[in-house]
Amino acid sequence: QVELVESGGGVVQPGGSLRLSCVASGFTFNNFGMHWVRQAPGKGLEWVSFIRFDGTNKYYADSVKGRFTISRDNSKNTLYLQMNSLRVEEMAVYYCAKDIKEYSDGTYFDSWGQGTLVTVSS
Amino acid sequence: DIQLTQSPSFLSASVGDRVTITCRASQGISDHLAWHQQKPGKAPKVLIYAASTLQTGVPSRFSGSGSGTEFTLTISGLQPEDFATYYCQQLNAYPITFGQGTRLENK
Repeated sequence: QVELVESGGGVVQPGGSLRLSCVASGFTFNNFGMHWVRQAPGKGLEWVSFIRFDGTNKYYADSVKGRFTISRDNSKNTLYLQMNSLRVEEMAVYYCAKDIKEYSDGTYFDSWGQGTLVTVSS
Repeated sequence: DIQLTQSPSFLSASVGDRVTITCRASQGISDHLAWHQQKPGKAPKVLIYAASTLQTGVPSRFSGSGSGTEFTLTISGLQPEDFATYYCQQLNAYPITFGQGTRLENK
């Protein structure tokens, strides 16, 4: 069965950087696009970024464009999110999610990870 | 960006009730809509995609309908485990967006 395990969250000062990881198992990772979604405490879901199965296409929410970078290492079954210049309002649980369709440029989700908490505070 | 507006934002119901949540898109999105369920402290779970297709393992009391700009999620015969927050999500165009959520509580 599909398993997505995020890690890398923690406490960072405003303006700081953090790299999140999402290790995937239970499916052929290099055939599927992957997403990052975040949720601030007590708030709704906000899509952050998507990367195509082969890494050739990447999309970002306007709020993170130029500061966050999504990447993947298909040899390690791992998705990453490099977050720079972090803001207080970006404190959230960050989830990775798997696309439902192979070789697509982004479509429906079929699985979510359990999330990793990023705290941005001085 | 495509805005999604859910109604109601809060819903109080009892076990056995039939409930309906509506999601309206600011522009047409065909059937490129999904529904997710989230319980407190847990990750979201996919319920429905392509507006009406039930994700594997989701009970048949959940159903979705709609196309274009108006969509509904219906739960027929609420069970205790269904009290949660529900989100719609559009995947018609980037950026992907979510509705603000509907919190379903036990009356």
